[in-house]
Amino acid sequence: DVKVTQSSRYLVKRTGEKVFLECVQDMDHENMFWYRQDPGLGLRLIYFSYDVKMKEKGDIPEGYSVSREKKERFSLILESASTNQTSMYLCASRLQGNSYEQYFGPGTRLTVT
Amino acid sequence: EDKVVQSPLSLVVHEGDTVTLNCSYEVTNFRSLLWYKQEKKAPTFLFMLTSSGIEKKSGRLSSILDKKELFSILNITATQTGDSAIYLCALSNSNSGYALNFGKGTSLLVTP
Repeated sequence: DVKVTQSSRYLVKRTGEKVFLECVQDMDHENMFWYRQDPGLGLRLIYFSYDVKMKEKGDIPEGYSVSREKKERFSLILESASTNQTSMYLCASRLQGNSYEQYFGPGTRLTVT
Repeated sequence: EDKVVQSPLSLVVHEGDTVTLNCSYEVTNFRSLLWYKQEKKAPTFLFMLTSSGIEKKSGRLSSILDKKELFSILNITATQTGDSAIYLCALSNSNSGYALNFGKGTSLLVTP
């Protein structure tokens, strides 16, 4: 079974703090993704990575950065957290090839106060 | 710009009812359409559809794709309270590393 884990289920941070969200997958998947999910807006793509050390902006990258130093780990960084980044953050991974299925982690619910 | 529109946005049914969830889309470079179920946690994969007219089935759930009319439906027969969830439709976008472009979801509540 593919397993995608995220470092925290719930996180509360203050405005201006630097925040790290970690995602680890155990199936040697090349592609990894970060989405945020908000009521009425659905899931939106923040950043994705084709492979180690590669990163690409998604639809809403402003205020975020990412790091992929190892294949199994994809980190999302909020350089200076703001209240509008309060959201559910979902990480996903995908094996490169003909299947488009993505496997999701349990999510991190981040509250910025 | 690719677009995924799901309807209805929410639905309340009684146990035993049959429901049909709709997903229409616009896309420049179709790869695949996927359905996910989300309870209070990670979305879990239901179906991936790439060809028109071929029904995918898993127990009481089934789905079909119409690439000419640009829509897909997800059917759930004999609904149970455990089917209560948000159902997400997504397009695989080859321009974004095969990231998924999601619709806003249909929130289904099945009452006893």
